[in-house]
Amino acid sequence: TQLLEQSPQFLSIQEGENLTVYCNSSSVFSSLQWYRQEPGEGPVLLVTVVTGGEVKKLKRLTFQFGDARKDSSLHITAAQPGDTGLYLCAGDTGNQFYFGTGTSLTVIP
Amino acid sequence: SQTIHQWPATLVQPVGSPLSLECTVEGTSNPNLYWYRQAAGRGLQLLFYSVGIGQISSEVPQNLSASRPQDRQFILSSKKLLLSDSGFYLCAWSVILYQETQYFGPGTRLLVL
Repeated sequence: TQLLEQSPQFLSIQEGENLTVYCNSSSVFSSLQWYRQEPGEGPVLLVTVVTGGEVKKLKRLTFQFGDARKDSSLHITAAQPGDTGLYLCAGDTGNQFYFGTGTSLTVIP
Repeated sequence: SQTIHQWPATLVQPVGSPLSLECTVEGTSNPNLYWYRQAAGRGLQLLFYSVGIGQISSEVPQNLSASRPQDRQFILSSKKLLLSDSGFYLCAWSVILYQETQYFGPGTRLLVL
């Protein structure tokens, strides 16, 4: 079983649409990160959230950390083909670091 | 600034052959180092981590081993590769073990035939 479950696993949308990716767990995390990975490359950090209820915006991307620090969401507004990639959440419990199961996003021009 | 390198980028090896993948980090001292394996389009499985020279911890039993001969060098090895060792191998480093951000290398794609 995975400590961090992401949904959906796969997502294919048209350019200009909005989408939300979820990262859920029954465990509490000290911090949570979101990464984006393109094929054949290593994951690149997008954001780190550390406070329950925290919302961070990065251009068209909005990240939210749940109040109880057990879950997070990534919302993309007006998706573009350049947003295509594998989105990974990751969290640390203070003594262990876990990666989510991943969401593969394809934005069709 | 810190950078992390991995090589080779791609490797095709026959079953039963040995393996050596190398990872080096620049611009930081005493980093925590990690080796992950990733199945296509999926999350990462932690294989090994190291908090210092010669200190290796294994997360899962497997056909692979790791070594850290220098502060900023991390090596993933195998004496005899299996078909199931195929995958995308990622090296990462962090300032604090298991906490906050990990920074990843470009990865090595290994195909065992």
